Parts: sequence; structure tokens; C-alpha cells
Amino acid sequence: LAKTTQPISMDSYEGQEVNITCSHNNIATNDYITWYQQFPSQGPRFIIQGYKTKVTNEVASLFIPADRKSSTLSLPRVSLSDTAVYYCLVGEWQAGTALIFGKGTTLSVSS
Amino acid sequence: GAVVSQHPSWVICKSGTSVKIECRSLDFQATTMFWYRQFPKQSLMLMATSNEGSKATYEQGVEKDKFLINHASLTLSTLTVTSAHPEDSSFYICSARAGEVSNEQFFGPGTRLTVL
Repeated sequence: LAKTTQPISMDSYEGQEVNITCSHNNIATNDYITWYQQFPSQGPRFIIQGYKTKVTNEVASLFIPADRKSSTLSLPRVSLSDTAVYYCLVGEWQAGTALIFGKGTTLSVSS
Repeated sequence: GAVVSQHPSWVICKSGTSVKIECRSLDFQATTMFWYRQFPKQSLMLMATSNEGSKATYEQGVEKDKFLINHASLTLSTLTVTSAHPEDSSFYICSARAGEVSNEQFFGPGTRLTVL
């Protein structure tokens, strides 16, 4: 499994765009990049997934360069409710295969 | 998306007793479910992979005789913490992949276990 490295914490203010970068130098050909969000005392929630280039959904964008050795989760115009831990996971997206979590990034949004 | 529930959401027990936690996939069938443990301010740690109708596969360092996992149906997996001790106090989270719908892994809301 490819190891991931993320900043331990980030601070932001409401309305700003937040970019969280994840490094995964040993990503394999079959690996996907997936981001989860976790609030205190809750289970993680899927945010976005990608393989290469850019992916966008209603809550976030995911930028993946051509070499796929890193990725950036972009949260547009964050609010207080975006305060959470964000996990970057890299691995094969297969049934029966567990997701392995790294340390994650604690994002704190202030008013 | 698919929904995974857990019961109870929290439990307090005395040291030496056993506690059972249920994990259900409410609107899909899950051949495989996963159990994680999370200590305060730490990441999720995979404990075991639970396969319907067969024995669970435990991660290194997880005592299979202490953490009994049963996956008797395609919608239910249970984790029993036997002879619980204060160091077993943690947040236990299950998850399942809705393989027939997608490979996305859905997580339950977690169960807070406190052993006195």
C-alpha cells in the first residue's frame, strides 16, 4: 500500500478556499486516490475520488498531476461546519479490500 | 448513498464483562465488512476483515480471542469485546463496501466503548 503524507493541521477562515495536499510517492498503477472527512465521534464520510487529472463534485475538487505522486483536495469557500479531519487514502478500489488510514489533516475553520 | 448502522452508539461497562457491537448494512448486502478502532486524536486502525459465512481475518497485533467477530448474514456483523478492560475503551467503527452498487466503502456512525 502506498504511504501518504499530509500536513497534520491547517487553519482557515470562513469563505476562503482550502487546499490540502497529500504526497504519495509510491502510488501503484492500479491505485486510486480517495479523500474522506471525519467529524468528532462520527464515522468517516466519502468526499471525492480520482485516478488522474481533475475531478469535481458538489463539495470539492481533486487535482492530480500527471505523475500521480501527489494530490490536492480543494474545498471552495469553507464554512465553520467544514472543521474536521481529512484523510487521503491511496489504494486499489476493490470490494473486499479495506481502506488503510493515515494520520489525516485536522482542518480548523474560524469565523 | 448506502447506509451502515451500528448499535449501540455508546456503551459503558465494568471491567471483565463482555460487550457486543452490531453493524448492519441497511439497504445493501455486504459480503465483507471491516472493523476499525480509533483512540482519541488518532487515526482509524483496521482491526479485522469480516467475511460472511467464514472466519474473520485479523490484523497483526489484534487478539482474535478477545475481539470476536461474527458475520452470520449479508447485512449483519458483530464485534464482541470479551473480558473488557479499561485499555479497550475506544471508538469502534465498522464499514462495508456496497460491492453490488459500487466499491465505495461506507462507514457506520461508530460505537463509543468505555470500560470502567
